[in-house]
Amino acid sequence: DSGVTQTPKHLITATGQRVTLRCSPRSGDLSVYWYQQSLDQGLQFLIQYYNGEERAKGNILERFSAQQFPDLHSELNLSSLELGDSALYFCASSVEVRTEAFFGQGTRLTVV
Amino acid sequence: GQSLEQPSEVTAVEGAIVQINCTYQTSGFYGLSWYQQHDGGAPTFLSYNALDGLEETGRFSSFLSRSDSYGYLLLQELQMKDSASYFCAVKGSQGNLIFGKGTKLSVKP
Repeated sequence: DSGVTQTPKHLITATGQRVTLRCSPRSGDLSVYWYQQSLDQGLQFLIQYYNGEERAKGNILERFSAQQFPDLHSELNLSSLELGDSALYFCASSVEVRTEAFFGQGTRLTVV
Repeated sequence: GQSLEQPSEVTAVEGAIVQINCTYQTSGFYGLSWYQQHDGGAPTFLSYNALDGLEETGRFSSFLSRSDSYGYLLLQELQMKDSASYFCAVKGSQGNLIFGKGTKLSVKP
C-alpha cells in the first residue's frame, strides 16, 4: 500500500458526461501529480499541484481541470467526455525535493 | 522540453540478466528514476540516480552517465514475477516527473 488513495476504482460513463476523480495523497506529501495512461501507453503527465497551487502543466486538455484543496486532497474533473478519454488515471504524491513518487491504484475510466 | 527513449519490449529467460537502456533529453537535469508497473497495477519506485555511477538494490541496479544523457536498469537473476513494464523518468524543472513510454519485459521459463 503506497498510502495514496484514489476513488473510485472504476467508472463507466457515457460520452458527453462529466466525472470527478479524487485523490488523497500520503500523509505529509504536499505535491500531487495526475497522469493518464491509455492502453499499452506510457504515463502522460497532466498536471501537478503543490500545497494547493498549480505547479506544472503537461498535455492536459481544456476539457480537463484539477484542483488541490486545503486538506491537500486533489480532484481531477473531466468534462464533455469522449471515447478516447477512456484510460487509467493515476494520482501520485511526493515530498517536494525528492524524486520518489508514490502512486495510487488508479481510476479506470471507461467512456461508452 | 524533456524526452526519454527506451526500448518498447525486451524478452529474457528466467535466471538471466537483462539491461534496459534509457536516453534522455532535458533542459535541466535533476536525476533519473526507474519505476516498475505490473499489468493493471500502479507504478512503483525502484531506484534513483542523481550522480554518475551504479546504484545497487538487491537484484536491481541502475546506472547513470550524465555526460552521455544515458542510464540503464540492470535486472539480475530474473524471476517470472519480474515480467512487467519498466519506466525511466526525469524530473522536470518544475518538479513534475516525465516518464518514458516504458519497456515491457517478458521473462520466459
